[in-house]
Amino acid sequence: KNEVEQSPQNLTAQEGEFITINCSYSVGISALHWLQQHPGGGIVSLFMLSSGKKKHGRLIATINIQEKHSSLHITASHPRDSAVYICAVTDNNNDMRFGAGTRLTVKP
Amino acid sequence: DAGITQSPRHKVTETGTPVTLRCHQTENHRYMYWYRQDPGHGLRLIHYSYGVKDTDKGEVSDGYSVSRSKTEDFLLTLESATSSQTSVYFCATRLAGETDTQYFGPGTRLTVL
Repeated sequence: KNEVEQSPQNLTAQEGEFITINCSYSVGISALHWLQQHPGGGIVSLFMLSSGKKKHGRLIATINIQEKHSSLHITASHPRDSAVYICAVTDNNNDMRFGAGTRLTVKP
Repeated sequence: DAGITQSPRHKVTETGTPVTLRCHQTENHRYMYWYRQDPGHGLRLIHYSYGVKDTDKGEVSDGYSVSRSKTEDFLLTLESATSSQTSVYFCATRLAGETDTQYFGPGTRLTVL
């Protein structure tokens, strides 16, 4: 079983919808990361958080350390948000462990 | 972007041939990583480096070796490529802090026939 599990694996939404992607982990962590992988393959870091909530534009990331769970929310989704979103954790050995990713498609 | 480039970006090779992938960074980041990405799997760590000439194995290191002779370059070598090593390879760097963000290169798509 992967230490980092994401759901759903695939998600299709209509433009304007509110989107939630979930991530659960089973190891002790010092930080959790949300990454975005564009259709062209490039990977960029969206958020790194160790507690609470962070917001950047239409993206919001939350983490609940006690429940070992994080969510990535996208408000007012747009077709350009279509990408693979990857949850990753930095474990207590400073190794990064990655979820398998959630493929999001936003239709106009 | 942390000024990370990978070369080549695409390569097709035959089973049994040696292959070297290069990662180059211009940001003087201390840590460098090689990952592979396969369908249905998350990114998996192959090897990493925590300084010049300092490297260690990751989760899927069998069949791979690395070298880091200077801060800016991290080489990944497949001594004798196999079809199971067909994958997309990503290099990443991290400045130094324990929870610093990793910055990723554009990836190299390797096909082993």
